[in-house]
Amino acid sequence: QVQLQESGPGLVKPSQTLSLTCTVSGGSISSGDYYWSWIRQPPGKGLEWIGYIDHSGTTYYNPSLKSRVTISVDTSKNQFSLKLTSVTAADTAVYYCARDQGRSGFGFDYWGQGTLVTVSS
Amino acid sequence: QSALTQPASVSGSPGQSITISCTGTSSDVGGYNYVSWYQQHPGKAPKLMIYDVSNRPSGVSSRFSGSQSGNTASLTISGLQAEDEADYYCSSYTSSSSLVFGGGTKLTVL
Repeated sequence: QVQLQESGPGLVKPSQTLSLTCTVSGGSISSGDYYWSWIRQPPGKGLEWIGYIDHSGTTYYNPSLKSRVTISVDTSKNQFSLKLTSVTAADTAVYYCARDQGRSGFGFDYWGQGTLVTVSS
Repeated sequence: QSALTQPASVSGSPGQSITISCTGTSSDVGGYNYVSWYQQHPGKAPKLMIYDVSNRPSGVSSRFSGSQSGNTASLTISGLQAEDEADYYCSSYTSSSSLVFGGGTKLTVL
């Protein structure tokens, strides 16, 4: 059973960089069949796709966040990470990591439990 | 990229059927057979209910079905049950090799 777990600071100051890591267990990021994604949800609001990465490090980003986002992968640790720069209060959200089925179909079949990141001084 | 358009809320009585629409453009929903639907209960992570427009993952009830016509995708839930009360989100692949979600629909089971 694949499991994903987000980790990182729950509080980030305005203008600083938000950094989160997703650890994957029960399956290998290196398998090449999937896309590994970050999705966020501001309190009381809907889902917003941030971007995803494949096992080779190829990335795809939400155009509205592209200038501030970097997603990277560490296959040796079976982890992928998110960096979001110059954060403001509008970046306060629950951040989820998720696996897209890739060749098996368009859809996120496994999700982490989510981690709340608050941007505040 | 603009969010896909979903009704803010829908409701139905137990045993009834409801349909949630998800409207996009020819650059997303209408351009590909890549629409997925998610169910989210309060405080929980979303759960994949439908992928590739109309396919159900293993373990998802056959009461959930998906379809698409032009730029609009739809999720139908038949035989409504109390546990179906949740928020539902659609998602589509886009022509810019990105992904967009709908604004979400709150389903109330009366």
